[in-house]
Amino acid sequence: SAVISQKPSRDICQRGTSLTIQCQVDSQVTMMFWYRQQPGQSLTLIATANQGSEATYESGFVIDKFPISRPNLTFSTLTVSNMSPEDSSIYLCSVEKGIQETQYFGPGTRLLVL
Amino acid sequence: RKEVEQDPGPFNVPEGATVAFNCTYSNSASQSFFWYRQDCRKEPKLLMSVYSSGNEDGRFTAQLNRASQYISLLIRDSKLSDSATYLCVVNTGGYNKLIFGAGTRLAVHP
Repeated sequence: SAVISQKPSRDICQRGTSLTIQCQVDSQVTMMFWYRQQPGQSLTLIATANQGSEATYESGFVIDKFPISRPNLTFSTLTVSNMSPEDSSIYLCSVEKGIQETQYFGPGTRLLVL
Repeated sequence: RKEVEQDPGPFNVPEGATVAFNCTYSNSASQSFFWYRQDCRKEPKLLMSVYSSGNEDGRFTAQLNRASQYISLLIRDSKLSDSATYLCVVNTGGYNKLIFGAGTRLAVHP
């Protein structure tokens, strides 16, 4: 398995501002993923982040809104830019590990945009 | 049509009951299948992978029917601690993108 931490665990932000979420894993991993879980809904993949290359974004998500960094094999950041109340959600990072390429999730960052 | 569909529930069952959840997926090229469990205000955690031959882990049994594109999870002898949302998850291959169902809520009562 993997031990994953995220910072901050929660935040309340004003619209128009930006928030950077950090994800740290206890071992080197090739693939890291960023998800969003809106209230009462399931997880939606935002992007896949591999070290040394540009993140791959899913339909409906763009780099200008959700820039991602992946400076090394244990760390990634997701920025939620120019926030609006619709960005209020839980943001989770995950990593892929093991023979079966199982994904393990961080504890999530709860974001409320006022 | 959603890529992964689940009955949202809630399933309200007494302790000791057997409960089954079903899930269908639309992409016939899907390669890997999982059940995750998500407790309230917590991150999803892997419950079990689902293999073509079916697999069992204690009180939990998972089945896969590729022809019908159908996955199931059976929980026997339900415990209060089984109360959670169970997420059906499908890996469509490529760069290992996971598609999550909306989840089925289970509430086990005394």
